[in-house]
Amino acid sequence: SQQGEEDPQALSIQEGENATMNCSYKTSINNLQWYRQNSGRGLVHLILIRSNEREKHSGRLRVTLDTSKKSSSLLITASRAADTASYFCATVAPSGGYQKVTFGTGTKLQVIP
Amino acid sequence: NAGVTQTPKFQVLKTGQSMTLQCAQDMNHEYMSWYRQDPGMGLRLIHYSVGAGITDQGEVPNGYNVSRSTTEDFPLRLLSAAPSQTSVYFCASSYGREGGKRLFFGSGTQLSVL
Repeated sequence: SQQGEEDPQALSIQEGENATMNCSYKTSINNLQWYRQNSGRGLVHLILIRSNEREKHSGRLRVTLDTSKKSSSLLITASRAADTASYFCATVAPSGGYQKVTFGTGTKLQVIP
Repeated sequence: NAGVTQTPKFQVLKTGQSMTLQCAQDMNHEYMSWYRQDPGMGLRLIHYSVGAGITDQGEVPNGYNVSRSTTEDFPLRLLSAAPSQTSVYFCASSYGREGGKRLFFGSGTQLSVL
């Protein structure tokens, strides 16, 4: 079963606007990661936020984590056409001595020039 | 560094055929994994390995076999292909044995089983 569920499933915005994607999960986690996937390509890591962190920034990306609500959000500011891609959250939780990485179903973002 | 290399990029099989998807990484990562990606279902973990000689099952291991004889290589074998295995397959690796770190992905193998 999916640990992370992204919302919305699809998002279309104009270039320059901000894009916000949300991720909800079910169990306690060690960290949460966001990945981007361009069409026909592999996933690329964007940012990792640990369970004891509430907010993290990387360039135009801002990630928040609320462990009490079991949710995270990814904000892309001043979006560009090149940001058009699918975005996935991945939760990391302990499992049998190892760390299990579970991906959500993704948000498809379209940025219109 | 080439990163994570997957071959082939595309493959068409007939039901019942077997094949091996290749994955190699040159980053000396101990942790390697295989995912399949299906529309609307995100990525699901098939098998993973925390080092040479150590493998374990993920969420959807049935119909797949893996082995890890070297740190660099982690092939995925389809024993008897079925149409339900039509998917895009991704290999990913990360440093550390326990997993949970940033994953580096290959570019994927698109598999069709007729």
